[in-house]
Amino acid sequence: EEVMRQSPATLSVLPGERATLSCRASQSVSSNLAWFQLKRGQAPTLLIYNASTRATETSLRFSGGGSGTDFTLTITTLQSEDSAVYYCQQYDYWPYTFGQGTKLEIK
Amino acid sequence: QVQLVESGGGLVKPGGSLTLSCAASGFIFRDYDMSWVRQVPGRGLQCISDISRGSNNVLYDDSVRGRFTISRDFAKNSLYLQLSGLTDEDTGVYYCARHGSERALDLWGQGTTVTVSS
Repeated sequence: EEVMRQSPATLSVLPGERATLSCRASQSVSSNLAWFQLKRGQAPTLLIYNASTRATETSLRFSGGGSGTDFTLTITTLQSEDSAVYYCQQYDYWPYTFGQGTKLEIK
Repeated sequence: QVQLVESGGGLVKPGGSLTLSCAASGFIFRDYDMSWVRQVPGRGLQCISDISRGSNNVLYDDSVRGRFTISRDFAKNSLYLQLSGLTDEDTGVYYCARHGSERALDLWGQGTTVTVSS
């Protein structure tokens, strides 16, 4: 089973700053990597797929990068609404595994 | 409105059974592969089952294989997950999700909560 590791576990930043979240796969997943935003009580939202392609309604402040085993999600000009838990997921092969999540707090 | 709405969660005793449903609307259900994903306390998100658009290919995570059964009804635009042999490790929020054209899960429901407890 592919193991996905995210870092940091928690990130606390000021409004207007930039946040960079990392995701590492135990072996290559090519570019079959997605990022999701999960807020309490809401349906998860797809932000990025194919490692760097924004989903239809994803703000331009979100960008994804990387391929193979190392990936990043960058969020610029942070806003209070960005407070959430962010998960990466590989869908290169079954079972499609998620990282353990990064909790982003806006101070 | 494009959406997925889960139902059927609840409190069940260890060893018990439950059937979860997911009603799809606003899109052509038969054109998409579908998945069930659960969020288990302390274990994050877990893809537990997947079904192809034609129902001819189904996948299960090792943790649920032999106990859970995924299916879909095109006439009702619905996805199902039958759960049996439940243990407390199956407690969590169960989401249905749609695979987009690039395989990523591009649409999720709000989830339904399953609690396994005596």
